[in-house]
Amino acid sequence: AQSVTQPDIHITVSEGASLELRCNYSYGATPYLFWYVQSPGQGLQLLLKYFSGDTLVQGIKGFEAEFKRSQSSFNLRKPSVHWSDAAEYFCAVGAGGAQKLVFGQGTRLTINP
Amino acid sequence: EPEVTQTPSHQVTQMGQEVILRCVPISNHLYFYWYRQILGQKVEFLVSFYNNEISEKSEIFDDQFSVERPDGSNFTLKIRSTKLEDSAMYFCASGGGAGNQPQHFGDGTRLSIL
Repeated sequence: AQSVTQPDIHITVSEGASLELRCNYSYGATPYLFWYVQSPGQGLQLLLKYFSGDTLVQGIKGFEAEFKRSQSSFNLRKPSVHWSDAAEYFCAVGAGGAQKLVFGQGTRLTINP
Repeated sequence: EPEVTQTPSHQVTQMGQEVILRCVPISNHLYFYWYRQILGQKVEFLVSFYNNEISEKSEIFDDQFSVERPDGSNFTLKIRSTKLEDSAMYFCASGGGAGNQPQHFGDGTRLSIL
């Protein structure tokens, strides 16, 4: 069965610092991988997705993620965070665009001024 | 940009009552989903719907739950007899289904069972 692990429940970084949020997945075939962001009281907004091809994918708001099959990882990165990036970040895996998503526990990001 | 809309944003209901959560998916999408997020926990899949029938459901989606697409635009989740543990944020999502189109989520309905 598919599963997603986000090892860090809460991360605090200073504004302007770089960020990496970890995601490990378990899936028997080639996964479809996603990162979503959830601001307080809001829904889930898609940051980026990986389906195939280039293992480094670019998303919105300056985020990128790298798919590493050998490590079963899909870590999210941003070179310089902004205060507006404070939110909950969810990694998810799916069998395809039409299939259910399995989410990780989420990582709450706090930005220090 | 088209978006998924959900109503109401917050629903308060007495235990044992029926509740219907409503969603308007993105108009040209073919696949529809409900997920829930209990406070402080991960987002969990409930059900997917395609071609006017359920394509997959989770263990959570028991006989108390049902989904319907009553017309060409709405997609509803009904809980027949609510329990305290049904309190959660419920998210509707829709996806094109063709190729590699990701799911787009609504802002959710917060359901509070008293």
